[in-house]
Amino acid sequence: LAKTTQPISMDSYEGQEVNITCSHNNIATNDYITWYQQFPSQGPRFIIQGYKTKVTNEVASLFIPADRKSSTLSLPRVSLSDTAVYYCLVGMNSGYSTLTFGKGTMLLVSP
Amino acid sequence: DTGVSQNPRHKITKRGQNVTFRCDPISEHNRLYWYRQTLGQGPEFLTYFQNEAQLEKSRLLSDRFSAERPKGSFSTLEIQRTEQGDSAMYLCASSLVELRNTEAFFGQGTRLTVV
Repeated sequence: LAKTTQPISMDSYEGQEVNITCSHNNIATNDYITWYQQFPSQGPRFIIQGYKTKVTNEVASLFIPADRKSSTLSLPRVSLSDTAVYYCLVGMNSGYSTLTFGKGTMLLVSP
Repeated sequence: DTGVSQNPRHKITKRGQNVTFRCDPISEHNRLYWYRQTLGQGPEFLTYFQNEAQLEKSRLLSDRFSAERPKGSFSTLEIQRTEQGDSAMYLCASSLVELRNTEAFFGQGTRLTVV
């Protein structure tokens, strides 16, 4: 399984754009990149998933360079409610395979 | 609410007792996963089912742990002779693998405290 490396924590202020970068140097050809969000005492929530280039949904954007050895989750104009742990996962499509979570990135959004 | 439902939300038990948790997946989801999460760590995979068949078990799943998914619907996770190290959040997730681009949906978890 491809290992991921992401910052342990990040701080931001309301209204700012937040970019969280994840490294996955040994990503396999068939691997997808998936991001989950987790609030305290809740289960993880799927945010976005992609294979290459750029994916955008109503919550976030995911940027994946051509070599796919890293990816960046972009959260536009964060609010206090975006304070959470964000996990970057690499592997088969997240609905097909078991998920390997790291420690994630704790994002703290301040007023 | 059509999401993944887990019961109970919290369980406190004495060391040595048996506990059982229940997970009701999203209707028609054929995959069901169990994960365990301790404080400050990401969730760790325990086991998963495709319909009623248990297809994979992590080495984390000791012989004190057993999971079932009768009739491919809800699932139960039982821990026998609980130990303090079993204290954790137990998470259930489900997905529908027939979809080309699918995702796993998690429940809110059952927090187990062994005293």
